[in-house]
Amino acid sequence: DAGVIQSPRHEVTEMGQEVTLRCKPISGHNSLFWYRQTMMRGLELLIYFNNNVPIDDSGMPEDRFSAKMPNASFSTLKIQPSEPRDSAVYFCASSLQTDSYEQYFGPGTRLTVT
Amino acid sequence: GENVEQHPSTLSVQEGDSAVIKCTYSDSASNYFPWYKQELGKRPQLIIDIRSNVGEKKDQRIAVTLNKTAKHFSLHITETQPEDSAVYFCAASGFGNEKLTFGTGTRLTIIP
Repeated sequence: DAGVIQSPRHEVTEMGQEVTLRCKPISGHNSLFWYRQTMMRGLELLIYFNNNVPIDDSGMPEDRFSAKMPNASFSTLKIQPSEPRDSAVYFCASSLQTDSYEQYFGPGTRLTVT
Repeated sequence: GENVEQHPSTLSVQEGDSAVIKCTYSDSASNYFPWYKQELGKRPQLIIDIRSNVGEKKDQRIAVTLNKTAKHFSLHITETQPEDSAVYFCAASGFGNEKLTFGTGTRLTIIP
């Protein structure tokens, strides 16, 4: 298995632009998580889906952030408009909800907003 | 919601010595406690986890202990090696809830 796939790996954009991050979970996994990692705030859960349905979006910082999971093999995290304080590494993770809650992380997308 | 505190934030250990990282959690309903290791520039990866019905779990040089009464759990690494240098995160979640709350991380440096 290729593991969790994220694209792009690096994104540099100007303030005010729209940014879309993409994630392909491990095949067969039924839960998907979006995290943001910064030095100041550590690893924060933004939103997670179970069977393509958003379960908890309490970590989404504000209305500029939105996430979708149109099918079991694809999810997007969109920031519109982007701001410099959104600069961070965004991780997607997936898991198979059985008796193990192990989350498998993707390689991350490093976002820089200038 | 759950709150997880982790200490210390940085830790330097001589190669071959032991390292201990401690975490406390606030929600007494939490029952799953994983530890993730993140090497520089890499993704977090699970190294060991423990559930509330177990007090201790070992896997070669790493072990985790859990004290539910005190609401704290610890990671123990023995015979440390240079490849143990990384940031370690503890986390907690409640029964039937996949949502993990992570600690702030411990940067472990192994001194050759």
